[in-house]
Amino acid sequence: EIVLTQSPATLSLSPGERATLSCRASQSVSSYLAWYQQKPGQAPRLLIYDASNRATGIPARFSGSGSGTDFTLTISSLEPEDFAVYYCQQHSNWPPYTFGQGTKLEIK
Amino acid sequence: EVQLVESGGGLVQPGGSLRLSCAASGFTFTNYAMTWVRQAPGKGLEWVSAISGGGGSTYYADSVKGRFTISRDNSKNTLYLQMNSLRAEDTAVYYCAKDRGIAVAFVASDYWGQGTLVTVSS
Repeated sequence: EIVLTQSPATLSLSPGERATLSCRASQSVSSYLAWYQQKPGQAPRLLIYDASNRATGIPARFSGSGSGTDFTLTISSLEPEDFAVYYCQQHSNWPPYTFGQGTKLEIK
Repeated sequence: EVQLVESGGGLVQPGGSLRLSCAASGFTFTNYAMTWVRQAPGKGLEWVSAISGGGGSTYYADSVKGRFTISRDNSKNTLYLQMNSLRAEDTAVYYCAKDRGIAVAFVASDYWGQGTLVTVSS
């Protein structure tokens, strides 16, 4: 089973700042990595798929990068609605398609 | 507009059974794999099971293998999750999600339902 480790567990920033979230895989997942955003009481929302492709309707301030075992989600300038929990998920060739434990992005 | 509506959750005793349904609309259902993901109260996301667009390929997390069965009725645009031998640790919100392709592998889940709560308790 591929283990995804996200860091940091919590990130405290102010609106307008740049956020950098990390996801590391225990073995290569090539570029088959997605990022999701989840707000309290809501379903997850797909932000990024295949490591760097923005999903439909996702603002350009969200970007993803990386391949193999190290991935990054960057939010260039935080908006108030961006404060949420972010999960990475690998969707490489064999299940289970594991999630990371999440990074909580909170207002400083 | 893609819509996914889960139903069938509720309170069940340990050892009991429950069948979840997910009614899909707004896309050609048979062309896409579908996935179930769960989230225990206050915890992170856990991938549970997935099924290919035609229904011929199914996959399970080890934690539910042998107890849960995923299926789909493409004539009714509906996804199912039959859950047997339920345990307290199965307590969670269960989400159904549409995948971005017809096969399970290599694709993320691009649309999610709002979830249905399953509580396993005596």
